[in-house]
Amino acid sequence: GAVVSQHPSWVICKSGTSVKIECRSLDFQATTMFWYRQFPKQSLMLMATSNEGSKATYEQGVEKDKFLINHASLTLSTLTVTSAHPEDSSFYICSAPKFSGYNEQFFGPGTRLTVL
Amino acid sequence: LAKTTQPISMDSYEGQEVNITCSHNNIATNDYITWYQQFPSQGPRFIIQGYKTKVTNEVASLFIPADRKSSTLSLPRVSLSDTAVYYCLVGLRGDDKIIFGKGTRLHILP
Repeated sequence: GAVVSQHPSWVICKSGTSVKIECRSLDFQATTMFWYRQFPKQSLMLMATSNEGSKATYEQGVEKDKFLINHASLTLSTLTVTSAHPEDSSFYICSAPKFSGYNEQFFGPGTRLTVL
Repeated sequence: LAKTTQPISMDSYEGQEVNITCSHNNIATNDYITWYQQFPSQGPRFIIQGYKTKVTNEVASLFIPADRKSSTLSLPRVSLSDTAVYYCLVGLRGDDKIIFGKGTRLHILP
C-alpha cells in the first residue's frame, strides 16, 4: 500500500518556540493532504486541508496564524506550530488520499509534540 | 458527510468473533462505508470499505443491509493485538476530508 511518512516522530520544545512537522507521501503524489490533532483518549480532529500550490483551508476554530501549513510540492506538506505553548502539546497526524481500488486515505504515523 | 453512531467501547475475549455496528441513517446514495483501525500513538489504518451487501478481506467482513442505514464490522477470532479504536466513516469519496466520530474502543481480554 501507499506510504505516508512524518518527521519528526516526536519533538519536545520550550514554550514560545516554533516547531515544524513534515508530512511526505513516499510513493505517490498528493495534491491534497490533511492535518489532524489528537488528544489522549480522544478522536482525531481535522485541523486543515493542505492544497498543493494554494492556501490551506482551515477548519472552524483553528488559528491559521498559529498553525502554518505549506504544501510546497506534490509529496510534501509541512505544519508549523508557531509560538508553541503547553496546550499545543498533542499528537499530530497527516493523511493523503490515494485511490487504491478503494476511496482510501493513507495516514502518517503521527508526531508527538510536547511543549514544556 | 453522514453522521455515524457507534458504541463507545466494547470488550471481548481472544478467539471470539466481534461485531461492531454503526448507524448512519442519513447515508446518501453515493456514499461508501469505510472502517479504520487505530492503535495507540499511531495513525489510523484502513480496514475495509463497502457500498452494499457484504465485503470480505483478509482482515474483516463488512455487512451492509439493503437500506444501508447501518453497517456491521465483523472481526473473526480476535486476538489481543486487535485491541484498538475502530472508526466507522460514511461518505468518503476520493479526496474528501474525513470528519472522525468518537469511534469504538475495543478491548480484547485474554
